[in-house]
Amino acid sequence: KQEVTQIPAALSVPEGENLVLNCSFTDSAIYNLQWFRQDPGKGLTSLLLIQSSQREQTSGRLNASLDKSSGRSTLYIAASQPGDSATYLCASPRTAGGTSYGKLTFGQGTILTVHP
Amino acid sequence: GAVVSQHPSWVICKSGTSVKIECRSLDFQATTMFWYRQFPKQSLMLMATSNEGSKATYEQGVEKDKFLINHASLTLSTLTVTSAHPEDSSFYICSAIPVLNSYEQYFGPGTRLTVT
Repeated sequence: KQEVTQIPAALSVPEGENLVLNCSFTDSAIYNLQWFRQDPGKGLTSLLLIQSSQREQTSGRLNASLDKSSGRSTLYIAASQPGDSATYLCASPRTAGGTSYGKLTFGQGTILTVHP
Repeated sequence: GAVVSQHPSWVICKSGTSVKIECRSLDFQATTMFWYRQFPKQSLMLMATSNEGSKATYEQGVEKDKFLINHASLTLSTLTVTSAHPEDSSFYICSAIPVLNSYEQYFGPGTRLTVT
């Protein structure tokens, strides 16, 4: 059974800072790991998806890494902006396929606040 | 591309009544859709898996007779909350996996249900 943990639970930084969000998972036989953003009262926006064969993915100011051996993924946000303020969630499928295909286990999320 | 919509975006109903929530994939076909529930300040919890043309599968602890799921076509899944109670008040989010893409899930904007 995959368990996903995120730290810190909340993070407040001044605008312009580079920051790192952490995600840990228990099953190293991970299929993929996905990072999402959720604004208050809204659905999820997919940010990055890393396949098990990949070590990182980049999109603009975002970079996500995956280290299966240590059971960790990090989301790096460069030059943070107030518009980055949101809850960031990581999620991974429970197992690689079968009856658990597509069923995601989510971390508790990190609430990010970027101050102007 | 890969847009998922939900209707309604919010609904208020009285205890004992039933409410139907629709989840549509607008620009792709989805053989599998998922329904999640999110309580305030908590992460998403998977409720059930909706498969086109077959019965939904429910997670442990989720009452299938209370949360009726129908996946009538490759672009539409519905969740009906029957005999709603105040404790059913929550944010309900659906997601869909495109038929041709087995990796990434796309999430709807969510439906806020309030039962009075």
